[in-house]
Amino acid sequence: GNSVTQMEGPVTLSEEAFLTINCTYTATGYPSLFWYVQYPGEGLQLLLKATKADDKGSNKGFEATYRKETTSFHLEKGSVQVSDSAVYFCALSDLYSGGGADGLTFGKGTHLIIQP
Amino acid sequence: DAGVIQSPRHEVTEMGQEVTLRCKPISGHDYLFWYRQTMMRGLELLIYFNNNVPIDDSGMPEDRFSAKMPNASFSTLKIQPSEPRDSAVYFCASSYGEPNSPLHFGNGTRLTVT
Repeated sequence: GNSVTQMEGPVTLSEEAFLTINCTYTATGYPSLFWYVQYPGEGLQLLLKATKADDKGSNKGFEATYRKETTSFHLEKGSVQVSDSAVYFCALSDLYSGGGADGLTFGKGTHLIIQP
Repeated sequence: DAGVIQSPRHEVTEMGQEVTLRCKPISGHDYLFWYRQTMMRGLELLIYFNNNVPIDDSGMPEDRFSAKMPNASFSTLKIQPSEPRDSAVYFCASSYGEPNSPLHFGNGTRLTVT
């Protein structure tokens, strides 16, 4: 089956620090990969995506590269801000490979706290 | 665009009562998903629809849960009877065009069953 594993939080950093949140996946097919962000009291919002190997998704200074050889999609940002404090979810979508509840799978989320 | 709209935002009910959660997807979106979020299990996909037809409900925890989509602009998730372990935040999300498109989430319904 499909699964997503991401680092446990909370991750606490100082403003302007470099951020990496690790994400690895297991999939039977050829999934699309996503990072979503959830701010308090809100639903998840798409942050970035990549649909095939070696694609790089980027948005708001965040980047992630689809690495098929290491089955990874790590999220990075060069200089974080207090406003980046949120919960970040790595996800895969592989609904072409037979669907099922695990065809669309989220990691458990990483709570990021940025201190001024 | 108003985004995905869920109601109510908060629901508190007693064990054994029926609970109905509502969702209005983004106009034109042809996929609709129901998720449940808890601290212990994270985000779980319960069921998803394509063009109002349920495609996979294998994530629905048990027969107490049911979901319908009578038309393209409305879906419900019903729990009858509710139990304390159903307490969670329930999210509706919609997407357009293909199964692997990004999801647009509503702000969720926080359900508390006492």
